[in-house]
Amino acid sequence: EAGVAQSPRYKIIEKRQSVAFWCNPISGHATLYWYQQILGQGPKLLIQFQNNGVVDDSQLPKDRFSAERLKGVDSTLKIQPAKLEDSAVYLCASSLGVRARSMDGYTFGSGTRLTVV
Amino acid sequence: EDKVVQSPLSLVVHEGDTVTLNCSYEVTNFRSLLWYKQEKKAPTFLFMLTSSGIEKKSGRLSSILDKKELFSILNITATQTGDSAVYLCAGGGSQGNLIFGKGTKLSVKP
Repeated sequence: EAGVAQSPRYKIIEKRQSVAFWCNPISGHATLYWYQQILGQGPKLLIQFQNNGVVDDSQLPKDRFSAERLKGVDSTLKIQPAKLEDSAVYLCASSLGVRARSMDGYTFGSGTRLTVV
Repeated sequence: EDKVVQSPLSLVVHEGDTVTLNCSYEVTNFRSLLWYKQEKKAPTFLFMLTSSGIEKKSGRLSSILDKKELFSILNITATQTGDSAVYLCAGGGSQGNLIFGKGTKLSVKP
């Protein structure tokens, strides 16, 4: 079974520039998550999709971050304009659903490491 | 506010030692407690716990959940240098979101 694919692996941008990350979840996984992991911290949920609808985006800084999941499959996360404090690893994860017994299929991608200078 | 607290934040042991990692949680509509191992890349799944008092084992790793005390532990016996990693604990809510702790950084010296 193919895993969660993310690209790019690394990105370095200057502050105030824009950047986009892409995620392709495991086939058949209805739920997709974007997490931000700052160095030395655990991942923090930014946004959760169920198919192509948003379930939770309460911690997404909507003045600069946006995300979409077209057709309920691939997803993109965008930052515009970027700030220094956005430097982090952005992890995408997917799961079959949200019921407890499907949570052990909760799989993370390798992440995109963003450095804002 | 939901939170997950892990302790210790870092730990250095020698090969062959046994370690216990701690995780306490306060998660609204709690459904499950998950443990992950994170080396340089993505967190990799170790265990999911949903019931109190039932130990889950995988080789030298084991974990148990106490839903009354809102607590879980991860044990690693006969540690090896390959166990060196950050171990993340996460509480799962009813919507599938995970609340992560800061992790415990384990270093196993030869």
